[in-house]
Formats: sequence, structure tokens, C-alpha cells
Amino acid sequence: DGGITQSPKYLFRKEGQNVTLSCEQNLNHDAMYWYRQDPGQGLRLIYYSQIVNDFQKGDIAEGYSVSREKKESFPLTVTSAQKNPTAFYLCASSRYGTGGSDEQYFGPGTRLTVT
Amino acid sequence: AQSVAQPEDQVNVAEGNPLTVKCTYSVSGNPYLFWYVQYPNRGLQFLLKYITGDNLVKGSYGFEAEFNKSQTSFHLKKPSALVSDSALYFCAVREFITGGGNKLTFGTGTQLKVEL
Repeated sequence: DGGITQSPKYLFRKEGQNVTLSCEQNLNHDAMYWYRQDPGQGLRLIYYSQIVNDFQKGDIAEGYSVSREKKESFPLTVTSAQKNPTAFYLCASSRYGTGGSDEQYFGPGTRLTVT
Repeated sequence: AQSVAQPEDQVNVAEGNPLTVKCTYSVSGNPYLFWYVQYPNRGLQFLLKYITGDNLVKGSYGFEAEFNKSQTSFHLKKPSALVSDSALYFCAVREFITGGGNKLTFGTGTQLKVEL
């Protein structure tokens, strides 16, 4: 899982509550990403950030928000507007946000259960 | 848009036998292809990538992958499977994003089960 930490590992919330998932990296990578994983669907990109103070929507951004105030941190907030928030959330980083052929490094993930 | 397909949800193989996990891709331009492995309740681990050059790419843990442009395939292989190789394997393609940046588009994953 390299130098990326995600906390907590398991998270339980009631429907209607916002929740923030933490992602920290000490790899000095410029780019960071949030993915959602559901059984049989692979990984889907929620948000990504190429540099500090900049981020872009991915394929399934509705109901989520992010911030990138520091290079090493990229927290994800799952809002009450997200219709089906229960999933496994993975954070990743890569050395460069633009161009390049570098691979992404993943954190250990946070399993969110909303009831 | 770029895409990858993993046609098999599950692959079963006996320990010591060769294994192949299939991946086909659809891209415009030259593909940048990746293989990742995921153990239960863990993040993804990078195995190998193809950018350019030799069609046979060697990666971590004895895995290799063969890039075949005419068949648009990038199959993952290992000459002799281990029980510890049992995991979920993802193929991915890098996709450039309008305005800069890039992202990975993943296949749906193939569960590999290696039995004694």
C-alpha cells in the first residue's frame, strides 16, 4: 500500500449524514485520485487532482466533494445527496498529473456502510 | 473513450500450472496499459505496465504480460501459479483528459483462484 494512508478502515453512518474520508500520501506525488469500487463493476473515478488547489470531476462525482489544500492530503466528503454511498473507497496518487506514464499507487481503502 | 474488457469473471488453475488472465482494449492512439492485483479488503498493487517497446513486459512476483497490437490484447501470464496468487486482477488503460491530466479506466476484474 506504499506511502498512502486512508482512515478509517471501516466507517458506519446513518443515512442523511455527511461523512469525510481521509487520504494522506508521503510520496511527494503531484496527482491524487478517488475511486469507488462496487462488486462486479471495477473501479470508477470520483474526483482527481493534478496539483494543489485544483481538482476535477471524474465519472461519478455527483454527491461527492473534495478539497486539495495541501499536496499530501486529498479528503473526500460523501454527502447526503449521494444516492447509494455504501461502497469501498480507494485513494490513489501518481507522480505527475499530466502526461507521463507513471503508475498510480493505492491506499488500503475505506469501507463505508450507510444504513 | 478508452476502455478495457476482462472477459472472464473467474479463472481457476492448479498450483504449478501456467495461468493467463485475459484483457482486451479499445483505444485511439497508442495504448498505455496496466495490470493491478487486489487482495481481499486491500488496495490495489501495481504489477506491470506497457508503454512502448518490447511486447513482453515483466513485472512483480513473476508475472508478465504480452501486448498484442493486432489482437488488441494485453493478457497477464505466469509460468507457474502459486496458491498465494489467488486474488482479484484488474487491467487498466490510461486515458488522457481534455484540458490536461490523465486517468485510468479499469476493467471489471478477474478473480483468480489457484488450487492445490
